[in-house]
Amino acid sequence: AQTVTQSQPEMSVQEAETVTLSCTYDTSESDYYLFWYKQPPSRQMILVIRQEAYKQQNATENRFSVNFQKAAKSFSLKISDSQLGDAAMYFCAYRSAGSEKLVFGKGTKLTVNP
Amino acid sequence: EADIYQTPRYLVIGTGKKITLECSQTMGHDKMYWYQQDPGMELHLIHYSYGVNSTEKGDLSSESTVSRIRTEHFPLTLESARPSHTSQYLCASSERLGSYEQYFGPGTRLTVT
Repeated sequence: AQTVTQSQPEMSVQEAETVTLSCTYDTSESDYYLFWYKQPPSRQMILVIRQEAYKQQNATENRFSVNFQKAAKSFSLKISDSQLGDAAMYFCAYRSAGSEKLVFGKGTKLTVNP
Repeated sequence: EADIYQTPRYLVIGTGKKITLECSQTMGHDKMYWYQQDPGMELHLIHYSYGVNSTEKGDLSSESTVSRIRTEHFPLTLESARPSHTSQYLCASSERLGSYEQYFGPGTRLTVT
């Protein structure tokens, strides 16, 4: 069974600084998708960034980028120029190409200090 | 934010009561999902649907049931609530084709006393 591990229950960063959230996963599949979701307090969970396993190029969305290391099964999220609005729970998730199921990690709580 | 809605947002109910959690989306998405999330924990898929008249159980065993009579509506029902059902329930939807992105509702926080 696929598993997703987020080893950092909590992280903090100063406003305008850069922070990296870690995620590793375990799978025997070759075709899959990886996601980072953001869940602000009392607000809806939203997709931050997505990576297709067949793409070698790391995904980037504005201040958010990933470091996808397929051989190491690692998928970290880098947030540059952190803003107060970035404070939230961040969940790493995995989905096999042939499955409906999103497998989530336990999440990392990010605090942004002014 | 995505056009997916859940009601009620918060519910406190006594043991043994029947409850229905509502979920609606206005995006015309075929696929819909229900997740259970305990505080500080990951989400677990409990039900999903490919479209009208389609329902499937997820990985996490759940005593709840779902129905999909209309594309936009995917309610979840607990016939007899118990304290062990206390949790947050998140509804999500996605397009049949495309990028597999799931759009989440705001969630229903259920407390069973």
